Amino acid sequence: EIMLTQSPGTLSLSPGERATLSCRASQRVTSNSLAWYQQKPGQAPRFLIYGASNRATGIPDRFSGSGSGTDFTLTISRLEPEDFAVYYCQQYGGSPLYTFGQGTKLEIK
Amino acid sequence: QVQLQESGPGLVKPSETLSLTCSVSGGSITNAYWSWIRQSPGKGLEWIGYIYYSGSTTYNPSLKSRVTISVETFKNQFSLKLTSVTAADTAVYYCVKDDGYWLDPWGQGTLVTVSS
Repeated sequence: EIMLTQSPGTLSLSPGERATLSCRASQRVTSNSLAWYQQKPGQAPRFLIYGASNRATGIPDRFSGSGSGTDFTLTISRLEPEDFAVYYCQQYGGSPLYTFGQGTKLEIK
Repeated sequence: QVQLQESGPGLVKPSETLSLTCSVSGGSITNAYWSWIRQSPGKGLEWIGYIYYSGSTTYNPSLKSRVTISVETFKNQFSLKLTSVTAADTAVYYCVKDDGYWLDPWGQGTLVTVSS
């Protein structure tokens, strides 16, 4: 199983600041197999990034993804109040086919 | 814009079978893959399995012996059955369109509690 480890577990920042979230895989992940999601309380995850660096339809350009191999990053350039949520990375292609990181909670400082 | 909606009992007794249905609207269930995901505090997000509209399936090895996913194309629905449930199966269950590599969109989710 390809395990994804996200860090930090919790990130406390203020609106307007830059957020950098990390996702590390236990084995090499092809770039087109890495995605990111945002989840707010009581809601389903929302698809943000695919192929490690491509924004999904309708996602603001303050969200960006990067990385390759085993290290991937989600960056939010200038935090808006609505960005405070839990973020998950996800990989496709191992066994099981999909696995998720444990999440990073982005909270208001 | 495809939308998904889960339905089914919110309470299931231990050792019984959990059954959920996902209704797809705003698009056809054909020519696509459809997954079930669950989320619990203890195990986070866990992929259960997917089905292609033709009926072919792939399951998470950890659940394979207890899971069946089926599709009814004429109803634009697909379903999940999980047998011999225990408290560890208590979770929010989501149905999701599977684009291969990523999952979008998601249903709103339905909480299933396993308890006597």
